Amino acid sequence: AQTVTQSQPEMSVQEAETVTLSCTYDTSESDYYLFWYKQPPSRQMILVIRQEAYKQQNATENRFSVNFQKAAKSFSLKISDSQLGDAAMYFCAYRSWSNFGNEKLTFGTGTRLTIIP
Amino acid sequence: GAVVSQHPSWVICKSGTSVKIECRSLDFQATTMFWYRQFPKQSLMLMATSNEGSKATYEQGVEKDKFLINHASLTLSTLTVTSAHPEDSSFYICSAIGKWNTEAFFGQGTRLTVV
Repeated sequence: AQTVTQSQPEMSVQEAETVTLSCTYDTSESDYYLFWYKQPPSRQMILVIRQEAYKQQNATENRFSVNFQKAAKSFSLKISDSQLGDAAMYFCAYRSWSNFGNEKLTFGTGTRLTIIP
Repeated sequence: GAVVSQHPSWVICKSGTSVKIECRSLDFQATTMFWYRQFPKQSLMLMATSNEGSKATYEQGVEKDKFLINHASLTLSTLTVTSAHPEDSSFYICSAIGKWNTEAFFGQGTRLTVV
């Protein structure tokens, strides 16, 4: 079974600074997807960024980028120029590539990010 | 992105009664839907995975007779909490994946309180 580990329960960063959230995972599969989701106080889950395991290039979405190290099974999220609206719970998630009928979307324990004005 | 609507957003029920939560994909066909339970300040715990037209696959430790999941169509899945008890009080979230989607899309969640 796949497991996702986030070792930082809480992080804080000064507004406009950069912060990196860590995520490691365990799998025996070679093809899969990785995601970072954000859950603000409203509790609505919002996709931040995704990465296909077969792609070597790290995904980037505006101020958000990942450092995907497939061999190390590491998938960290970097938030640049942090804004007050970035304050939320961040979850790393793993999904199998394509195994219809046996899908799973597994989440890490989450990292609570606080932005200091 | 695609839209998933979950209803109701909150519900209060009496112990011993049943409550149904609906999860609808509004603009895509959801081949797979996931149901999660989330305790305060904790992660999403996967309860079950359902594929349209087939029985749900429950995670270990989740009582299938208590948490009935039905995925009768490509746009609707329901979770029924039967004979609810106060310990069933929690936040329940559904998510859906379409055949051509990479990521899952989430409903707004349902806060269930059993009194």
